[in-house]
Amino acid sequence: AQSVTQLDSQVPVFEEAPVELRCNYSSSVSVYLFWYVQYPNQGLQLLLKYLSGSTLVKGINGFEAEFNKSQTSFHLRKPSVHISDTAEYFCAVSEVRGGGNKLTFGTGTQLKVEL
Amino acid sequence: EAGVTQFPSHSVIEKGQTVTLRCDPISGHDNLYWYRRVMGKEIKFLLHFVKESKQDESGMPNNRFLAERTGGTYSTLKVQPAELEDSGVYFCASSQAGSRGEAFFGQGTRLTVV
Repeated sequence: AQSVTQLDSQVPVFEEAPVELRCNYSSSVSVYLFWYVQYPNQGLQLLLKYLSGSTLVKGINGFEAEFNKSQTSFHLRKPSVHISDTAEYFCAVSEVRGGGNKLTFGTGTQLKVEL
Repeated sequence: EAGVTQFPSHSVIEKGQTVTLRCDPISGHDNLYWYRRVMGKEIKFLLHFVKESKQDESGMPNNRFLAERTGGTYSTLKVQPAELEDSGVYFCASSQAGSRGEAFFGQGTRLTVV
């Protein structure tokens, strides 16, 4: 079984400031890692994913995340946020083998960008 | 290309009533998933269809929940009878065969049981 921990339920940040949303996971098997974003009144949208290869992955809207196997982390970063980045962000994992690719999610981090 | 469509978007029902949620996946997507988010908590897996077959229903809370996927196309999730703890947002997601977790999600159905 897997679990995902997002320690920060809310992160307020000023526009154009950098931001990091933290994600740690626990799993007895190898996993793929994902960040999904939910904008107000919309469904979840894939932001980026780590499947294999380079541990630094880039996603849409200028976001990137780094997979750290030793620390079992997959933190999401953006060097300069915009008002439109205000949304809820979910870290998730799925098993590499088996599991039907179902996702195990963290509890989400609400990013609020202020002027 | 149309995305994943769910309806209704909101439903308010009384305890003991029946509610049916519908999900239309992206055309051609073999995988269809149902998830639920209870207020303030994580999004939890309910079940997974591959075409019309239930691949994994380990997340279904109890036998008051019944999911079907007719002909491998749209899916319904029926709750009968509904209880207060069934309130939450129900998400449907679909993906192509061979995907590894990259799924397309619908907007969700917010179910409130009063």
